[in-house]
Amino acid sequence: QSALTQPASVSGSPGQSITISCTGTSGDVGDYNYVSWYQKYPGQGPKLIIYDVSIRPSGISNRFSGSKSGNTASLTISGLQAEDEADYYCSSYSGGGTLWLFGGGSKLTVL
Amino acid sequence: QVQLQESGPGLVKPSQTLSLTCTVSGGSITTGGYHWSWIRQHPGKGLEWIAYIYSSGSTYYNPSLKSRVAISLGTSQNQFSLKLSSVTAADTAIYYCARRPLAAYYFDSWGRGTLVTVSS
Repeated sequence: QSALTQPASVSGSPGQSITISCTGTSGDVGDYNYVSWYQKYPGQGPKLIIYDVSIRPSGISNRFSGSKSGNTASLTISGLQAEDEADYYCSSYSGGGTLWLFGGGSKLTVL
Repeated sequence: QVQLQESGPGLVKPSQTLSLTCTVSGGSITTGGYHWSWIRQHPGKGLEWIAYIYSSGSTYYNPSLKSRVAISLGTSQNQFSLKLSSVTAADTAIYYCARRPLAAYYFDSWGRGTLVTVSS
C-alpha cells in the first residue's frame, strides 16, 4: 500500500490527452505545493518531469502539465505519443517523519 | 550533466547487512548544494524514500527504517553509501540513489537502480 494513491493503469490513443491522479491527504499533497512527477522506462531510473505541482524542468515537453486541487494532484499529458508509454510516479513532501511520499505508479499504455 | 550509478551485491542472505554504494560523476558531492538520497522500489510496488545525507555529513532517515539504516559519505569524494541491517525478504527491492537540490522538494537526478534480492 503506497502512501499516495494513483490508478494502476491509464491508456489513450496517439494525439489524445490523458490525466493521472495522485491522491494524498491534508498532511502531504493538501498541505504543500511540493508535488513532483517522474517518468520511468523499464530498466532506467525515474526522470523528473514536473515539480512544485506544475513546473516543468528545462527540456521537458510542454505536453506535460501538472495541477492540484485539495488533496489530489494530477498529471496531464496532451498529444499522446508512442514514446510517452512508461510508468509515472507522483511524489509529495510530507513535512515531518517520512519527508517524501510516493505513489504506487501508473502504467501508461499508448494504444 | 551529473550521473549516478548504484553498485553492490545483488543477493544478500536474511539477517545480514545490505551494503550499496552510489558513485556520482560529473560533479562532487562534497561541494554542497545537494542532498543525496537512497530510495527503493519493491517489486511491482511504488517508491519508498529511505534516507539522505548532505556534504557536511548530516543525515535524515525514514522513521520506519531508521533503526536498521545508515547512510554515509564514501572514502572517495564522489561516493556515498547505504547500509541496511537485519534484512528480510521484505527488503528485496530495486535500490536507487538520487540527488535533491538543497532548497528543493524533488529529486532531479537518479541512478538506474540496482536489484537486491534477500534470499538464503
